[in-house]
Amino acid sequence: GDSVTQMEGPVTLSEEAFLTINCTYTATGYPSLFWYVQYPGEGLQLLLKATKADDKGSNKGFEATYRKETTSFHLEKGSVQVSDSAVYFCAFLYNFNKFYFGSGTKLNVKP
Amino acid sequence: DVKVTQSSRYLVKRTGEKVFLECVQDMDHENMFWYRQDPGLGLRLIYFSYDVKMKEKGDIPEGYSVSREKKERFSLILESASTNQTSMYLCASRLGQATNEKLFFGSGTQLSVL
Repeated sequence: GDSVTQMEGPVTLSEEAFLTINCTYTATGYPSLFWYVQYPGEGLQLLLKATKADDKGSNKGFEATYRKETTSFHLEKGSVQVSDSAVYFCAFLYNFNKFYFGSGTKLNVKP
Repeated sequence: DVKVTQSSRYLVKRTGEKVFLECVQDMDHENMFWYRQDPGLGLRLIYFSYDVKMKEKGDIPEGYSVSREKKERFSLILESASTNQTSMYLCASRLGQATNEKLFFGSGTQLSVL
């Protein structure tokens, strides 16, 4: 069935390191893809999105490219900061209001 | 910006109690959602509503009901709380159903059922 698979955490990095969080999806057709971020004690907020194949979403130095061939939407950032410590959720939207979320990846960035 | 407000940040209830979780959004959004968030399982959809008095079951509706009497308010009801309903509950809203429209989330209610 439809689902999202993202890499398990926690991921621990030093400040200024390169970040990749892998995400793949299983869906019929071509859904819209999203990354949401949840900072400690807060609800989820949209980080970036892509609505069609080869689109690149970007925000706050984070990027992800919609790869139809590999059904992937990996999140990357060239240089992480302590303030990026959060839980990151990959998601896709399929069939109007039905969002599918991954299990979340916790990122810890150490100074 | 859109604000989604959940009435309680933390709630402790006893097994068998009837529990109400309230959610209010201030931007006239048509669609509202209730998710539960559990470690390792991500977010799972309980119910959503696309209009006043309209509701649709999500993936895990058992043990829950919802009410949407006004457009801005969406309530989640646990008819008889059980310990396996201990979880973080997240409310969200969305303006319409276009594919590029995002969800706006509240900050969550951590419910403990003892």
